[in-house]
Amino acid sequence: EAGVAQSPRYKIIEKRQSVAFWCNPISGHATLYWYQQILGQGPKLLIQFQNNGVVDDSQLPKDRFSAERLKGVDSTLKIQPAKLEDSAVYLCASSATGLAGRETQYFGPGTRLLVL
Amino acid sequence: RKEVEQDPGPFNVPEGATVAFNCTYSNSASQSFFWYRQDCRKEPKLLMSVYSSGNEDGRFTAQLNRASQYISLLIRDSKLSDSATYLCVLSGGSYIPTFGRGTSLIVHP
Repeated sequence: EAGVAQSPRYKIIEKRQSVAFWCNPISGHATLYWYQQILGQGPKLLIQFQNNGVVDDSQLPKDRFSAERLKGVDSTLKIQPAKLEDSAVYLCASSATGLAGRETQYFGPGTRLLVL
Repeated sequence: RKEVEQDPGPFNVPEGATVAFNCTYSNSASQSFFWYRQDCRKEPKLLMSVYSSGNEDGRFTAQLNRASQYISLLIRDSKLSDSATYLCVLSGGSYIPTFGRGTSLIVHP
């Protein structure tokens, strides 16, 4: 079974530039998560989708971050404009149904972002 | 108080040792508890779920104490390959998945 795919794996940009990340979850998984993991910290949930609807985006900095999952399959996360403090690993995860948080989440390899 | 707290370590132990980590949480509405393992520069992977009655998977034992609001992970007979960061995760109901910062374990020969 193919895992969660993410691209690009690495990205270096200058502050105030825009960047976009892509995620393709495990086939058939209804729930998709985007996390931000800053060095030395645990992953922090940015947004959770159930199919193509948003379940929670309370921790997403909406002035600069946006995410979509238009067809309920793959998803993109965008940062515009980027700040130095956005340097982190952006992890995408998926789970089969998202049953009230009781399921295993499967993570992709992440995108390492460095903002200069 | 942070929602989920873990001692970052590192815990430096010899092969064969027994080591235990705790994870305390503040939200009593948390319903589901997990331990994930994260190797250096890799993604987190599920190690085990934590059930109310406690559960064991080979050398690993997880326990939940709702009264004191913590979960624990016990690793017996540590192997070099156990060296990693161990993340606790809480979720459930309307409570979004929340990770601790992780506890670093180094097992040396």
